[in-house]
Amino acid sequence: DSGVTQTPKHLITATGQRVTLRCSPRSGDLSVYWYQQSLDQGLQFLIQYYNGEERAKGNILERFSAQQFPDLHSELNLSSLELGDSALYFCASSRWDRDSYGYTFGSGTRLTVV
Amino acid sequence: ELKVEQNPLFLSMQEGKNYTIYCNYSTTSDRLYWYRQDPGKSLESLFVLLSNGAVKQEGRLMASLDTKARLSTLHITAAVHDLSATYFCAVTTGGNSGGSNYKLTFGKGTLLTVNP
Repeated sequence: DSGVTQTPKHLITATGQRVTLRCSPRSGDLSVYWYQQSLDQGLQFLIQYYNGEERAKGNILERFSAQQFPDLHSELNLSSLELGDSALYFCASSRWDRDSYGYTFGSGTRLTVV
Repeated sequence: ELKVEQNPLFLSMQEGKNYTIYCNYSTTSDRLYWYRQDPGKSLESLFVLLSNGAVKQEGRLMASLDTKARLSTLHITAAVHDLSATYFCAVTTGGNSGGSNYKLTFGKGTLLTVNP
Protein backbone atom coordinates (compact mmCIF):
# COMPACT_ATOMS: atom_id res chain seq x y z
CA ASP A 1 0.00 0.00 0.00
CA SER A 2 1.59 3.24 -1.20
CA GLY A 3 -0.53 5.43 1.04
CA VAL A 4 -2.30 7.06 -1.92
CA THR A 5 -5.85 5.75 -2.21
CA GLN A 6 -7.84 5.86 -5.39
CA THR A 7 -11.45 4.83 -5.84
CA PRO A 8 -13.03 3.18 -7.64
CA LYS A 9 -10.49 0.72 -9.05
CA HIS A 10 -12.61 -0.03 -12.09
CA LEU A 11 -15.36 1.91 -13.78
CA ILE A 12 -17.40 0.97 -16.82
CA THR A 13 -19.73 3.56 -18.21
CA ALA A 14 -21.45 4.58 -21.42
CA THR A 15 -20.55 7.35 -23.80
CA GLY A 16 -21.98 10.71 -22.85
CA GLN A 17 -22.00 9.94 -19.15
CA ARG A 18 -20.19 11.67 -16.31
CA VAL A 19 -17.98 10.03 -13.70
CA THR A 20 -15.99 11.13 -10.66
CA LEU A 21 -12.68 9.64 -9.65
CA ARG A 22 -11.44 10.12 -6.13
CA CYS A 23 -7.97 10.33 -4.66
CA SER A 24 -6.75 10.58 -1.08
CA PRO A 25 -3.10 11.61 -0.89
CA ARG A 26 -0.49 10.15 1.39
CA SER A 27 -0.67 11.52 4.90
CA GLY A 28 1.12 14.86 5.06
CA ASP A 29 1.31 15.40 1.30
CA LEU A 30 -0.17 18.68 0.09
CA SER A 31 0.18 18.26 -3.68
CA VAL A 32 -2.01 16.01 -5.78
CA TYR A 33 -1.34 15.28 -9.43
CA TRP A 34 -3.60 13.55 -11.94
CA TYR A 35 -2.23 11.53 -14.85
CA GLN A 36 -3.87 9.68 -17.69
CA GLN A 37 -2.24 6.57 -19.11
CA SER A 38 -3.31 5.20 -22.47
CA LEU A 39 -1.59 2.99 -25.00
CA ASP A 40 -1.31 5.68 -27.64
CA GLN A 41 -0.52 8.72 -25.47
CA GLY A 42 1.48 7.15 -22.68
CA LEU A 43 1.49 8.89 -19.31
CA GLN A 44 0.11 12.39 -19.65
CA PHE A 45 -0.06 14.98 -16.91
CA LEU A 46 -3.53 16.41 -16.48
CA ILE A 47 -3.61 18.77 -13.53
CA GLN A 48 -2.00 19.53 -10.19
CA TYR A 49 -3.44 20.90 -6.97
CA TYR A 50 -1.48 22.19 -4.04
CA ASN A 51 -3.18 22.73 -0.72
CA GLY A 52 -6.52 23.31 -2.38
CA GLU A 53 -5.35 25.54 -5.21
CA GLU A 54 -4.83 24.66 -8.85
CA ARG A 55 -1.12 25.00 -9.63
CA ALA A 56 -0.51 23.52 -13.05
CA LYS A 57 -2.52 22.31 -15.99
CA GLY A 58 -1.41 19.89 -18.63
CA ASN A 59 -3.25 18.25 -21.47
CA ILE A 60 -6.59 18.29 -19.74
CA LEU A 61 -9.71 18.46 -21.86
CA GLU A 62 -12.38 21.06 -21.17
CA ARG A 63 -14.78 18.20 -20.44
CA PHE A 64 -12.57 17.28 -17.49
CA SER A 65 -12.30 19.19 -14.24
CA ALA A 66 -10.81 18.61 -10.84
CA GLN A 67 -10.72 20.03 -7.37
CA GLN A 68 -8.95 19.50 -4.07
CA PHE A 69 -10.94 19.73 -0.89
CA PRO A 70 -9.96 21.12 2.53
CA ASP A 71 -9.13 17.61 3.75
CA LEU A 72 -6.76 17.43 0.74
CA HIS A 73 -8.52 14.64 -1.10
CA SER A 74 -9.07 15.35 -4.76
CA GLU A 75 -11.70 14.48 -7.31
CA LEU A 76 -11.37 14.31 -11.08
CA ASN A 77 -14.64 14.79 -12.93
CA LEU A 78 -14.95 13.49 -16.46
CA SER A 79 -18.05 14.44 -18.42
CA SER A 80 -19.54 13.81 -21.86
CA LEU A 81 -17.39 10.73 -21.98
CA GLU A 82 -16.08 9.41 -25.28
CA LEU A 83 -14.63 6.06 -26.20
CA GLY A 84 -11.19 7.66 -26.35
CA ASP A 85 -11.36 8.59 -22.68
CA SER A 86 -10.91 4.94 -21.78
CA ALA A 87 -7.62 4.82 -19.90
CA LEU A 88 -5.93 4.29 -16.57
CA TYR A 89 -6.15 7.40 -14.42
CA PHE A 90 -3.50 7.78 -11.76
CA CYS A 91 -3.28 10.12 -8.87
CA ALA A 92 0.07 10.93 -7.29
CA SER A 93 0.96 12.99 -4.26
CA SER A 94 4.09 14.69 -3.01
CA ARG A 95 5.33 16.62 -0.01
CA TRP A 96 5.14 20.39 -0.10
CA ASP A 97 8.84 20.91 -0.05
CA ARG A 98 11.71 19.81 -2.24
CA ASP A 99 12.76 16.63 -0.55
CA SER A 100 14.15 13.54 -2.20
CA TYR A 101 11.17 11.38 -1.51
CA GLY A 102 9.57 11.92 -4.86
CA TYR A 103 6.08 11.19 -5.92
CA THR A 104 3.85 8.40 -4.68
CA PHE A 105 1.31 6.96 -7.05
CA GLY A 106 -2.01 5.38 -6.26
CA SER A 107 -3.13 2.10 -7.78
CA GLY A 108 -5.19 3.87 -10.42
CA THR A 109 -8.74 3.83 -11.73
CA ARG A 110 -9.32 1.90 -14.92
CA LEU A 111 -12.05 3.66 -16.86
CA THR A 112 -13.76 1.86 -19.70
CA VAL A 113 -16.21 3.82 -21.83
CA VAL A 114 -18.51 1.65 -23.93
CA GLU B 1 8.26 22.06 -24.29
CA LEU B 2 10.11 19.41 -22.34
CA LYS B 3 10.58 16.13 -24.18
CA VAL B 4 11.75 12.91 -22.59
CA GLU B 5 12.94 10.12 -24.82
CA GLN B 6 13.71 6.59 -23.78
CA ASN B 7 15.40 3.92 -25.75
CA PRO B 8 14.97 1.22 -26.47
CA LEU B 9 11.20 1.06 -26.19
CA PHE B 10 11.26 -2.72 -26.25
CA LEU B 11 14.00 -4.86 -24.79
CA SER B 12 14.10 -8.63 -24.76
CA MET B 13 16.89 -9.97 -22.61
CA GLN B 14 18.23 -13.31 -21.63
CA GLU B 15 18.59 -14.13 -17.99
CA GLY B 16 22.07 -13.40 -16.73
CA LYS B 17 22.84 -10.73 -19.32
CA ASN B 18 23.50 -7.03 -18.79
CA TYR B 19 21.84 -4.16 -20.53
CA THR B 20 21.25 -0.41 -20.31
CA ILE B 21 18.16 1.73 -20.84
CA TYR B 22 18.77 5.33 -21.86
CA CYS B 23 16.75 8.40 -21.01
CA ASN B 24 17.37 11.74 -22.72
CA TYR B 25 15.56 14.94 -21.92
CA SER B 26 15.45 18.17 -23.85
CA THR B 27 15.71 20.99 -21.31
CA THR B 28 17.37 21.66 -18.00
CA SER B 29 15.77 19.60 -15.30
CA ASP B 30 16.36 19.54 -11.59
CA ARG B 31 15.46 15.93 -10.86
CA LEU B 32 15.12 12.65 -12.61
CA TYR B 33 13.03 9.68 -11.52
CA TRP B 34 12.87 6.06 -12.53
CA TYR B 35 9.69 4.07 -12.06
CA ARG B 36 8.71 0.47 -12.64
CA GLN B 37 5.24 -0.59 -13.73
CA ASP B 38 3.91 -4.14 -13.87
CA PRO B 39 1.02 -4.75 -16.29
CA GLY B 40 -2.15 -3.03 -15.11
CA LYS B 41 -0.50 -1.92 -11.89
CA SER B 42 0.66 1.30 -10.35
CA LEU B 43 4.03 2.98 -10.73
CA GLU B 44 6.63 1.96 -8.21
CA SER B 45 9.40 4.42 -7.47
CA LEU B 46 12.87 2.99 -8.08
CA PHE B 47 15.28 5.90 -7.95
CA VAL B 48 15.34 9.64 -7.47
CA LEU B 49 18.45 11.32 -8.90
CA LEU B 50 19.06 14.77 -7.57
CA SER B 51 22.29 16.06 -9.04
CA ASN B 52 24.87 15.70 -11.74
CA GLY B 53 26.90 12.55 -11.32
CA ALA B 54 24.39 10.95 -8.99
CA VAL B 55 24.50 7.17 -8.97
CA LYS B 56 22.11 4.93 -7.10
CA GLN B 57 21.94 1.16 -6.91
CA GLU B 58 19.34 -1.25 -5.70
CA GLY B 59 19.89 -4.94 -6.27
CA ARG B 60 20.50 -5.58 -9.97
CA LEU B 61 19.51 -2.05 -11.01
CA MET B 62 21.79 0.97 -11.09
CA ALA B 63 20.80 4.45 -12.22
CA SER B 64 23.00 7.41 -13.04
CA LEU B 65 22.50 11.00 -14.09
CA ASP B 66 24.56 13.32 -16.30
CA THR B 67 22.82 16.69 -16.27
CA LYS B 68 25.27 18.24 -18.71
CA ALA B 69 24.44 15.62 -21.32
CA ARG B 70 20.80 15.57 -20.17
CA LEU B 71 21.08 11.82 -19.95
CA SER B 72 20.20 9.19 -17.41
CA THR B 73 20.89 5.49 -17.66
CA LEU B 74 19.33 2.50 -15.96
CA HIS B 75 21.75 -0.41 -15.99
CA ILE B 76 20.52 -3.94 -15.44
CA THR B 77 23.04 -6.48 -14.23
CA ALA B 78 22.56 -10.23 -14.62
CA ALA B 79 18.88 -9.93 -15.46
CA VAL B 80 16.35 -12.23 -13.85
CA HIS B 81 12.76 -12.92 -14.86
CA ASP B 82 11.38 -10.88 -11.95
CA LEU B 83 12.73 -7.74 -13.58
CA SER B 84 10.29 -8.08 -16.46
CA ALA B 85 8.18 -4.89 -16.41
CA THR B 86 7.90 -1.49 -18.05
CA TYR B 87 10.44 1.07 -16.87
CA PHE B 88 9.76 4.79 -17.08
CA CYS B 89 12.01 7.74 -16.59
CA ALA B 90 10.49 11.10 -15.71
CA VAL B 91 11.81 14.58 -15.09
CA THR B 92 10.53 17.65 -13.31
CA THR B 93 10.95 21.20 -14.45
CA GLY B 94 10.09 24.68 -13.36
CA GLY B 95 8.50 25.24 -10.05
CA ASN B 96 8.06 27.90 -7.50
CA SER B 97 9.59 27.90 -4.07
CA GLY B 98 7.96 25.43 -1.79
CA GLY B 99 7.95 22.68 -4.36
CA SER B 100 4.45 23.45 -5.49
CA ASN B 101 4.81 23.12 -9.23
CA TYR B 102 6.91 20.08 -9.99
CA LYS B 103 4.89 18.02 -12.41
CA LEU B 104 6.48 14.92 -13.88
CA THR B 105 7.03 14.53 -17.60
CA PHE B 106 7.42 10.89 -18.55
CA GLY B 107 9.17 9.05 -21.30
CA LYS B 108 7.20 6.47 -23.27
CA GLY B 109 8.60 3.63 -21.20
CA THR B 110 10.77 0.62 -21.96
CA LEU B 111 9.05 -2.75 -21.95
CA LEU B 112 11.60 -5.19 -20.60
CA THR B 113 11.12 -8.91 -21.03
CA VAL B 114 13.62 -11.26 -19.46
CA ASN B 115 13.62 -14.71 -21.00
CA PRO B 116 15.00 -17.88 -19.43
